[in-house]
Amino acid sequence: QIVMAQSPSASASLGASVKLTCTLSNGHAAYAIAWHQQQPDKGPRFLMRLNSDGSHTKGDGIPYRFSGSSSGAKRYLTISSLQSEDEADYYCQTWGTDVHVAFGGGTRLTVL
Amino acid sequence: QVQLQESGPGLVKPSETLSLTCTVSGSSIGGYYWSWLRRPPGGGLQWIAYIYYTGSTKYNPSVNRRVTMSVDTSRNLLSLELSSVTAADTAIYYCARHPGTYYDFWIDSWGQGILVTVSS
Repeated sequence: QIVMAQSPSASASLGASVKLTCTLSNGHAAYAIAWHQQQPDKGPRFLMRLNSDGSHTKGDGIPYRFSGSSSGAKRYLTISSLQSEDEADYYCQTWGTDVHVAFGGGTRLTVL
Repeated sequence: QVQLQESGPGLVKPSETLSLTCTVSGSSIGGYYWSWLRRPPGGGLQWIAYIYYTGSTKYNPSVNRRVTMSVDTSRNLLSLELSSVTAADTAIYYCARHPGTYYDFWIDSWGQGILVTVSS
């Protein structure tokens, strides 16, 4: 069964960069994921689909400040030039034949 | 641009059936997979069920015996029914679209969500 680990919280200063991590469980290092953002009191928003080789496809209107990368079983979301509206929960999502839709526990990002 | 809008009662009594509808605009339901998901208070995202436009479904085993998802392609609507609800079913419920294939099940569009509280 696929399990994805995310740190519960992260923080960074306004204008700085932050790198969030999603770690896939053993045996699932080749899996692609999707990153989603959920701002307070809003529905989630798709950010990007991220492959194991680091290539990624972003959703419509997602700023250039958001980028993705991969290393082994780790999938990263980097947000540069942090803005106040980036304060949100960030979820990684993956899929497989055994579990069709699975999410990490989410990382709550605080912009200081 | 696809838009999804959930609707239904915001309050359901314990042991009764929760019924929600998702109206899809800007996209045909045909050709896609669609899911219902939820986020309980203080919790993370949970997948509940998916449906293909043909009507083929798959349910999360944790709710399998209580859930029914259906599709109305003529009206571009998705529906969710969850029976015998308890307080543990209190959550914000979302509908979402999967643009890829059965083996590429990422989500690219979400509704804004509807809060459903189970309480007498």
